[in-house]
Amino acid sequence: GQNIDQPTEMTATEGAIVQINCTYQTSGFNGLFWYQQHAGEAPTFLSYNVLDGLEEKGRFSSFLSRSKGYSYLLLKELQMKDSASYLCAVRPYLTGANNLFFGTGTRLTVIP
Amino acid sequence: NAGVTQTPKFRVLKTGQSMTLLCAQDMNHEYMYWYRQDPGMGLRLIHYSVGEGTTAKGEVPDGYNVSRLKKQNFLLGLESAAPSQTSVYFCASSHSEGAGEPQHFGDGTRLSIL
Repeated sequence: GQNIDQPTEMTATEGAIVQINCTYQTSGFNGLFWYQQHAGEAPTFLSYNVLDGLEEKGRFSSFLSRSKGYSYLLLKELQMKDSASYLCAVRPYLTGANNLFFGTGTRLTVIP
Repeated sequence: NAGVTQTPKFRVLKTGQSMTLLCAQDMNHEYMYWYRQDPGMGLRLIHYSVGEGTTAKGEVPDGYNVSRLKKQNFLLGLESAAPSQTSVYFCASSHSEGAGEPQHFGDGTRLSIL
């Protein structure tokens, strides 16, 4: 089976930095994705990691350690619009349709 | 720039009724997916398709059927709706090539079964 864990909720202050962790135990590993989902909306793609290390995209960065089964999403200079759920998803295999397995998501609330 | 379009956006059904959810994508993607999202459960894959005329089961396929008669469309059917199928349903699509190809999601269909 596939097991992907994230904290359920987090709160952070506008302008601050927040780190959202994701740990996984899957039958294989061929990449990890982070998605953002605002309430009542579709998930939108944020980042992709397949090799160890940090990937940076503007205010958002994502880190991966395959040996530890661990990733985090780092959000800098938080803005009110960053209040959303952040979904961690792992692709265990390269067969089928590159299927993803999702964690339950972390609901981030940004306060003034 | 439509991307992935789902219809309807909302629907209320009675137990035992049937319905079809339609997903259309205009990005010429080979792969398409149907997920359901429930509180505390995350997104779970129902069925997926690797191309026109093909379908396969995901994690939670029971009670659902799918068809992909045209490359751009992926239909999800509920033959006899049950209250346990009350959920938000998301369709997604992606290219087949490229290790980091993300899935692109529609806005969802909110389905209530009474």
